[in-house]
Amino acid sequence: GQNIDQPTEMTATEGAIVQINCTYQTSGFNGLFWYQQHAGEAPTFLSYNVLDGLEEKGRFSSFLSRSKGYSYLLLKELQMKDSASYLCAHWGNNNDMRFGAGTRLTVKP
Amino acid sequence: EAGVTQFPSHSVIEKGQTVTLRCDPISGHDNLYWYRRVMGKEIKFLLHFVKESKQDESGMPNNRFLAERTGGTYSTLKVQPAELEDSGVYFCASSLRSYEQYFGPGTRLTVT
Repeated sequence: GQNIDQPTEMTATEGAIVQINCTYQTSGFNGLFWYQQHAGEAPTFLSYNVLDGLEEKGRFSSFLSRSKGYSYLLLKELQMKDSASYLCAHWGNNNDMRFGAGTRLTVKP
Repeated sequence: EAGVTQFPSHSVIEKGQTVTLRCDPISGHDNLYWYRRVMGKEIKFLLHFVKESKQDESGMPNNRFLAERTGGTYSTLKVQPAELEDSGVYFCASSLRSYEQYFGPGTRLTVT
């Protein structure tokens, strides 16, 4: 089976740092993705992890631990425009992508 | 470079009718994916094409859904006959390499 769990909602202050966690239990693994989705828009690709460790890309970083079935997305120097849903997605052995329900992040001034 | 395009952007149909959604991937992208997000639920994978071949269609909910990609370019997703629970946003995504998918704007389908 495939369970992808992430918090439903988070709130943070502009300029702060926020970490969004994602855990997964799946039968195959080809990678772990993070997408950003603003309301009414399509998801946009943020990051991809296939090896353990931290991948840094500007203000956003993503971490993966395959042995723990765990990933997080770290957002630094939060801006108001970062208010969006953040989707954790698991890429399986059949090239299928399974999404979590998403974490709705609200950035407050 | 044009992104993934989907048509129509919105569709409102009655239960029992047929609807065909279209997706035009980014030029040169062999991989094409269909997803669906039902209100209040997570995005669900439907199927994956590599060129004109169905690589994985394990996410297709039932035989009322038919996806095609003739010629390996654009793809269509037909729902026939539509049911109330088919309402949602249907996303298409394409990729050159499997791990970086570009999503289209989605088609919002409402079945009344």
